[in-house]
Amino acid sequence: AQRVTQPEKLLSVFKGAPVELKCNYSYSGSPELFWYVQYSRQRLQLLLRHISRESIKGFTADLNKGETSFHLKKPFAQEEDSAMYYCALSGRNQFYFGTGTSLTVIP
Amino acid sequence: DAGVTQSPTHLIKTRGQHVTLRCSPISGHKSVSWYQQVLGQGPQFIFQYYEKEERGRGNFPDRFSARQFPNYSSELNVNALLLGDSALYLCASSLVLGARGPEAFFGQGTRLTVV
Repeated sequence: AQRVTQPEKLLSVFKGAPVELKCNYSYSGSPELFWYVQYSRQRLQLLLRHISRESIKGFTADLNKGETSFHLKKPFAQEEDSAMYYCALSGRNQFYFGTGTSLTVIP
Repeated sequence: DAGVTQSPTHLIKTRGQHVTLRCSPISGHKSVSWYQQVLGQGPQFIFQYYEKEERGRGNFPDRFSARQFPNYSSELNVNALLLGDSALYLCASSLVLGARGPEAFFGQGTRLTVV
């Protein structure tokens, strides 16, 4: 069955510390993976997608097909990174979201 | 650019009633998707429409239906409402439909409460 798993519901890090938000997926085929972010009182928005291999706001994510993971990383967390982060998978005209990780960056 | 707009923003219905939620995509976007987000969970995919045809369907009962109009706006209909249908309903639009999953732009959602 297709599934996206985000094992951490809550994650707190200090400003300037590295941050890693975990995402594992289960999918039979070649999915496309995304990270979406929702800042306080704002709508859900795309942060990055694996196919573009971009770095957005200092965040990167590498698709590891062997480990079926798509972890989101940033070397130095900023206070404005505090938000809800969702990992998502797209395949065969269906989309699957994880349950989300709430990231708090402590000043 | 107004972005994706959804109406109404909040809605209270009684069990057994029917509800219609509306979504206007970003101008030029031809694909609309609907999601249900229960408190504490991620969005759950319900439908995807492209060029007025259903192109994807999630694991939801037949009480849920949708359609897309010639102007690419969309309606989500839910019949025989249950308490468990209480959720935030999100609409997302994208420019095209593609196997590589185009970027989706989300609306603010409609908060449905079933009492």
